[in-house]
Amino acid sequence: AQKVTQAQTEISVVEKEDVTLDCVYETRDTTYYLFWYKQPPSGELVFLIRRNSFDEQNEISGRYSWNFQKSTSSFNFTITASQVVDSAVYFCALSDREGGGFKTIFGAGTRLFVKA
Amino acid sequence: DAGVIQSPRHEVTEMGQEVTLRCKPISGHDYLFWYRQTMMRGLELLIYFNNNVPIDDSGMPEDRFSAKMPNASFSTLKIQPSEPRDSAVYFCASSSLGGPGNTIYFGEGSWLTVV
Repeated sequence: AQKVTQAQTEISVVEKEDVTLDCVYETRDTTYYLFWYKQPPSGELVFLIRRNSFDEQNEISGRYSWNFQKSTSSFNFTITASQVVDSAVYFCALSDREGGGFKTIFGAGTRLFVKA
Repeated sequence: DAGVIQSPRHEVTEMGQEVTLRCKPISGHDYLFWYRQTMMRGLELLIYFNNNVPIDDSGMPEDRFSAKMPNASFSTLKIQPSEPRDSAVYFCASSSLGGPGNTIYFGEGSWLTVV
């Protein structure tokens, strides 16, 4: 069955620290997609990145980087030199074809506090 | 380009009243999703449509909830009668691709409080 686990409920760091948000997923499908979304205090959900199960290459976008490891079923997200504006809830999500249709399910989220 | 547009942004209603939430998906997107977010249950998929047809409504909590999509640019989620436990943020989202590779783009949410 599909499952996304974000074990870290809340993380608090001081500005300029690096922080890694963990995501572990479960799926029986061989083709699946993983996502990260950001939900700032204003409440909207902002898409950050999508990866497919056949591409394990890590990705970097500015201060953001993602580490996808199929061997450990993990898709971790690192923010380098964190800033106050990074304070938000971050959701990891999984989409696959389980059940004949498709569903995107979300982890419980990790709330990140970045203090000045 | 305009994103997913939801209305109302905030709604406070009394128990037993009918609530209608509205959504306009991104133009050209043929998948539309309704999600509910609560502290206890996180983000839950309620129902999704493809080309205006409901595909999977297994997440709809009970018969008090109904959703329609009369055309490609409009959808409603209705709760009748509303109950305090329906208080949540309801997100509408859309995507342009079917299958697991789709990226879902969310609206800003409708914050519902039932008192």
